[in-house]
Amino acid sequence: KQEVTQIPAALSVPEGENLVLNCSFTDSAIYNLQWFRQDPGKGLTSLLLIQSSQREQTSGRLNASLDKSSGRSTLYIAASQPGDSATYLCAVRIFGNAGNMLTFGGGTRLMVKP
Amino acid sequence: DGGITQSPKYLFRKEGQNVTLSCEQNLNHDAMYWYRQDPGQGLRLIYYSQIVNDFQKGDIAEGYSVSREKKESFPLTVTSAQKNPTAFYLCASSSRTGGGETQYFGPGTRLLVL
Repeated sequence: KQEVTQIPAALSVPEGENLVLNCSFTDSAIYNLQWFRQDPGKGLTSLLLIQSSQREQTSGRLNASLDKSSGRSTLYIAASQPGDSATYLCAVRIFGNAGNMLTFGGGTRLMVKP
Repeated sequence: DGGITQSPKYLFRKEGQNVTLSCEQNLNHDAMYWYRQDPGQGLRLIYYSQIVNDFQKGDIAEGYSVSREKKESFPLTVTSAQKNPTAFYLCASSSRTGGGETQYFGPGTRLLVL
């Protein structure tokens, strides 16, 4: 069964720092991997989607990489801002006849201090 | 303004009571999903539906029931058989289940037990 782990569980950094969030998964047979942002008490917003054939995706100050063979993905946030404070979740999509199933990690709670 | 709506934002359940959480989408998506999120944890799939009048159990379906009578609506009932219902419930939808499309999330419903 696919398991997704995110390290660290919580992270506090001063404004302006570059930072890396880690996501690992146990089964490399994934369809794609997605990073989400969740603000407290809110739903999820999709940040980046990496297909299994891709190595990375970029959106603004965010860059996500995927190493399927080692079961790892990283989310790089450049020049962090207080507005980046949120929980970041990664999820892998396994493709099977049961549907478009997502397996989530536990999230990394990020706080960026002014 | 397209999107997913969930109501209510907060819901209180008494012992032995069934409660129903609403999820509506106007994105014309075929697939809809219900997830449960416990504090500090990732999301776990309760039920999903690929098409009207069809739905499948996810990883933690016990104590829950759903219906999919209309494309736009996928209500979740938390029954009295669910002994630990306190959690944050998120509904999502996607254009189809087999292509790895992004899931779009609603704002969530927080369920509390009195």
